Amino acid sequence: NAGVMQNPRHLVRRRGQEARLRCSPMKGHSHVYWYRQLPEEGLKFMVYLQKENIIDESGMPKERFSAEFPKEGPSILRIQQVVRGDSAAYFCASSAQPDANSPLHFGNGTRLTVT
Amino acid sequence: SQQGEEDPQALSIQEGENATMNCSYKTSINNLQWYRQNSGRGLVHLILIRSNEREKHSGRLRVTLDTSKKSSSLLITASRAADTASYFCATDGHTGNQFYFGTGTSLTVIP
Repeated sequence: NAGVMQNPRHLVRRRGQEARLRCSPMKGHSHVYWYRQLPEEGLKFMVYLQKENIIDESGMPKERFSAEFPKEGPSILRIQQVVRGDSAAYFCASSAQPDANSPLHFGNGTRLTVT
Repeated sequence: SQQGEEDPQALSIQEGENATMNCSYKTSINNLQWYRQNSGRGLVHLILIRSNEREKHSGRLRVTLDTSKKSSSLLITASRAADTASYFCATDGHTGNQFYFGTGTSLTVIP
């Protein structure tokens, strides 16, 4: 399967723990986007990365959240000291070109539950 | 805030009928895209219409774009039960860095 791969599919964390969400983009794609979706809502942009660079993190909370896309390996979205409000589905998408005419290819998401 | 807003929020039709969903947005765009999301899955790209296009077809899908009204519509003809999903419009907000998604239209096609 050459699609966008996210893992884990489901993640349960207690308040205060750390959550690490992984995303492997489609083969040949070097542009990765992270989105968050709350139940019955649309997707909210969090961060846009290219290999080794954060291009736009305007949608990501300044505290506790960080993202990286290293030269080798998957993109990681890291949430430190999780709170119940972090419970959501987190989707990763990738594209081949850094322009608006390239459709996004989404993974099936990671559903984070904070207890 | 998100740029796209879909209307209606929910739509229920009989199989074989046409389904029309609308999307309104706020700022200038390079293009507008429609995506589908099945329950528990990621979004799947359906169709892209550029800002200089007024109408586009793909199979049973027909998309229109009116940049003067900042609105778009997605028509699914001869709907099938398998079309049951949520449908989202997305705009690039002229930056290319972000894609703004609406809150979606939940479509139910009754067999």
